[in-house]
Amino acid sequence: DQQVKQNSPSLSVQEGRISILNCDYTNSMFDYFLWYKKYPAEGPTFLISISSIKDKNEDGRFTVFLNKSAKHLSLHIVPSQPGDSAVYFCAASAQTGANNLFFGTGTRLTVIP
Amino acid sequence: KAGVTQTPRYLIKTRGQQVTLSCSPISGHRSVSWYQQTPGQGLQFLFEYFSETQRNKGNFPGRFSGRQFSNSRSEMNVSTLELGDSALYLCASSLSGTSGDTQYFGPGTRLTVL
Repeated sequence: DQQVKQNSPSLSVQEGRISILNCDYTNSMFDYFLWYKKYPAEGPTFLISISSIKDKNEDGRFTVFLNKSAKHLSLHIVPSQPGDSAVYFCAASAQTGANNLFFGTGTRLTVIP
Repeated sequence: KAGVTQTPRYLIKTRGQQVTLSCSPISGHRSVSWYQQTPGQGLQFLFEYFSETQRNKGNFPGRFSGRQFSNSRSEMNVSTLELGDSALYLCASSLSGTSGDTQYFGPGTRLTVL
């Protein structure tokens, strides 16, 4: 049972425009959410995170929004750059004391120059 | 600060063999987690070690095991390899391994079982 879902396997965006990647989750015990960027044959690179006590977190061009009532989070990248082209995973962990991450299936972002 | 390192980067084994993968966490990080990435199942949690103890385990058969040493380095072992074990095995480290503690990943070990 997939507890974290990324329903869009791919997304194409023009350079300079906004990229919006979406993620839904089912487990109400999740209290920490992260976005990772991944290139083929490499490990995921941490981008940004958000705690369930917040609804927004910004870091440079990256902003993550959390809507707890809808069990939905999104990653906004503004402006998008060709170097942002990669697979983006959202992940979540639960307030159990352990931090094993539950990952979505990923969204491949292509930024067109 | 050096990142998470994993060795070897690539491995080719045959069915029935066993394999050991190694992970060195970021200096000061005491929690090491292992994940398996396959095209069909995505990224799945295997287990987590903290202070040489396995604290948490995912839904994998007993053929998958691990350990952690006093310097926080960790090894993962897979016995009696099956074709379906072909995957990218990722190690991640974090300071304390509690929820809210960011995990940083290594480059992974690509295991191919023939």
